[in-house]
Amino acid sequence: DGGITQSPKYLFRKEGQNVTLSCEQNLNHDAMYWYRQDPGQGLRLIYYSQIVNDFQKGDIAEGYSVSREKKESFPLTVTSAQKNPTAFYLCASSPMGVLQPQHFGDGTRLSIL
Amino acid sequence: AQSVTQPDIHITVSEGASLELRCNYSYGATPYLFWYVQSPGQGLQLLLKYFSGDTLVQGIKGFEAEFKRSQSSFNLRKPSVHWSDAAEYFCAGGGGSQGNLIFGKGTKLSVKP
Repeated sequence: DGGITQSPKYLFRKEGQNVTLSCEQNLNHDAMYWYRQDPGQGLRLIYYSQIVNDFQKGDIAEGYSVSREKKESFPLTVTSAQKNPTAFYLCASSPMGVLQPQHFGDGTRLSIL
Repeated sequence: AQSVTQPDIHITVSEGASLELRCNYSYGATPYLFWYVQSPGQGLQLLLKYFSGDTLVQGIKGFEAEFKRSQSSFNLRKPSVHWSDAAEYFCAGGGGSQGNLIFGKGTKLSVKP
């Protein structure tokens, strides 16, 4: 079945350490997104990409970085510059176009040791 | 600025009772609206979407939503709630130039036996 795979499901980061969250999709979708979810805050957009080798900052990009070298993959790196990284991270994808709903992975929960 | 508001943070209903979750939007033009559901520790699943045409849209799991332009609302309804409907529900609006969604902060639904 087609879908979005996020790994790992749980991740722990030490102070000063960079960590990378994986997101892979086999839906042949052009657009991919990363959201951060905090209790009571809804989903906030970190980065999005509409095409390979191109991506744009969302509302809360500081302390994060992404790459889009392949259509299927959109990894997110949480850098040491992100001072409050503890959150639930969701990856989504959609076909190109504003009318298209987004499909979500099952998320990665990142915690600080 | 475009925005989506869910006025209720938490709602509790009895099993078998009817349900209405509120969503208000602020958009300059006709928005594209979605309702998603999230079980604990999981990603978001699309329940239904509205783009244009009939203002009453049917979704999965027996849910429906009605678009009311005069009230800037897109409320989600279900005639009879089941215990398995307990989850968090997110309203989202699209139509931005970049294809990204704007999410409300969510409404957590609890179901009493």
